[in-house]
Parts: sequence; structure tokens; C-alpha cells
Amino acid sequence: EPEVTQTPSHQVTQMGQEVILRCVPISNHLYFYWYRQILGQKVEFLVSFYNNEISEKSEIFDDQFSVERPDGSNFTLKIRSTKLEDSAMYFCASSERAKAVSGNTIYFGEGSWLTVV
Amino acid sequence: TQLLEQSPQFLSIQEGENLTVYCNSSSVFSSLQWYRQEPGEGPVLLVTVVTGGEVKKLKRLTFQFGDARKDSSLHITAAQPGDTGLYLCAGAEAGGTSYGKLTFGQGTILTVHP
Repeated sequence: EPEVTQTPSHQVTQMGQEVILRCVPISNHLYFYWYRQILGQKVEFLVSFYNNEISEKSEIFDDQFSVERPDGSNFTLKIRSTKLEDSAMYFCASSERAKAVSGNTIYFGEGSWLTVV
Repeated sequence: TQLLEQSPQFLSIQEGENLTVYCNSSSVFSSLQWYRQEPGEGPVLLVTVVTGGEVKKLKRLTFQFGDARKDSSLHITAAQPGDTGLYLCAGAEAGGTSYGKLTFGQGTILTVHP
């Protein structure tokens, strides 16, 4: 079973520090995403990425956030100056295709739990 | 902004009972996905429904997409303790270019007692 892997599984950081969350999407997938889930709240879309550029982003994904595919396997989410309210579980996801056809699956990683203190 | 209202939030039943979880919206979705999420893990896809009125079965789980593609339901027959978990619905907006931009419901925590 192919899987999306994320590191670190848990990170504690001081407010104002930069954080980079890493993801290795499934190897033949072309579409990559970041979602987050604040404790007790819904899973929220942050950004989608295709062909080395952002294809869509939400209002949450402001100038403090950036994504990058630095090489052929990794997909990263950077938060430049963390705030307390950035504390959440961050999920990376990937899919082979973009269109919502039966059989197309979005695979989620196990998440990176970020705690900002 | 699209919203998905999922109900009930909590469901506690005895083994062998049937249950239904609902997801409703005033918006039209191009597809609706159902996920199951274990504590500390990412959502795992159970099924995708795409066509209005579509019904899909996965063993004891039956998923239905509303005719107008604004709502969906998950029905579990003869629930087992192994069905215990968090169930999430998520919709892909109609007309959107990115399938991966999903709007999630708030989830249903199901507990099945032996």
C-alpha cells in the first residue's frame, strides 16, 4: 500500500520561529496538498500544488506560509514566523489526478503535530 | 465559502445496531468523499461518490450521494466494535479546478459497544 510520509511527527517551537514540515508524496502522484486541523476543529484546506506552482490556496495560507518541492521527492510547508494559533496537526496529501473521478484517491499522511509555545 | 454540516457529532450504539451519518450542504459538490480517521493519524479514504443519486457499498457500509449532489449519507448495518472511530465527509467544490480542495464536515465520533 503506497503511503504519504511526513516528518517530523511532532514539533514544538517558540513563537516567532520558522518551521519547515516535510512530506514525501506517493511517487507517481502529481498533485500535492497541505491541510491542517486545529484541535477539536474541522480539517481545513491550505494549499494545492501542481507542476511546481501553487494551483489554489485558502485564506489561511497567507504570506507567512510557503510551499516548495525542492527535489523530485520532497514537498515542504514553511511557516516563517510561527504564531500561537498555528498550533495544529498539518496533513500532507497527494493524488495522481486532479479530476474527481471514481477511483481517484487522495492519500493523506499521518500528520505533523505542531505546537507553538 | 462552502460548508458541510455533518450529523450527528457523537453516536454511541450497541453492537448489531444500524446507524446513519448525514452530510448536508446548500452548495453543490462535484464529488463527496468519506474518510475514517484514527486518533493521531491522517484521514483514510473509504469511498468517493461522484454522480447524483449514486450508491456505493463497502461490506456493511452503504454510501449515498444526493440527487442534487448537495448531501450524502453513510449507513452502517449491524455495527461492530471495530467500526468505532471518527468518520469524516469531505466535498470537492463543483467547478473547482483542484480536486484536492476539499471542504470537510466536522466529523462523527462513533462508538460501538460490545
